[in-house]
Amino acid sequence: EPEVTQTPSHQVTQMGQEVILRCVPISNHLYFYWYRQILGQKVEFLVSFYNNEISEKSEIFDDQFSVERPDGSNFTLKIRSTKLEDSAMYFCASSEMGGQYFGPGTRLTVT
Amino acid sequence: AQSVTQLDSHVSVSEGTPVLLRCNYSSSYSPSLFWYVQHPNKGLQLLLKYTSAATLVKGINGFEAEFKKSETSFHLTKPSAHMSDAAEYFCVVSASHGSGNTGKLIFGQGTTLQVKP
Repeated sequence: EPEVTQTPSHQVTQMGQEVILRCVPISNHLYFYWYRQILGQKVEFLVSFYNNEISEKSEIFDDQFSVERPDGSNFTLKIRSTKLEDSAMYFCASSEMGGQYFGPGTRLTVT
Repeated sequence: AQSVTQLDSHVSVSEGTPVLLRCNYSSSYSPSLFWYVQHPNKGLQLLLKYTSAATLVKGINGFEAEFKKSETSFHLTKPSAHMSDAAEYFCVVSASHGSGNTGKLIFGQGTTLQVKP
């Protein structure tokens, strides 16, 4: 069964550093998403992406965040200058119609 | 605006007994609703979805949920719990309206299901 994959599974970085989280969505899906879950809190929507552009973003998704689909298979989330409060589990999801399928997540720890 | 409320943060059942995880939703239009499960150190797995077809939805691993518009509820049930069902369960509503359900998802707070031997 096809699945969404994410790398790395765990990323530790220092405050102020740039990080790139990578995702490979399910191959025939056209809609892509990033969500995050801070420890002990709800899963929160960050951004959706369709047809090579952002279709919707939350207020969390400020200028420090960007997304890209560089090569037709990968979907990346970049945080330019990480803050302590960016520590969270980041989930990528993809969808064709009728339901979003999530990857296993990347745990980002900012020290 | 769409929202979901999971009425219990923790539910504990004995193996072999029924499971009931409660969810109420708020939506200005006919919603699309989902249940996801998250096992420890794993990703989010889609259990089942309601998208305005049959009100009783069957999902994987013996779970089902019933959409009740009059009660604005979408409770998750299973007749007999297994130890492997112990996990975090999320009730989710789609923020998009119309076909496709490709908009953002709004998650409930989650319910931790404990299954005792």
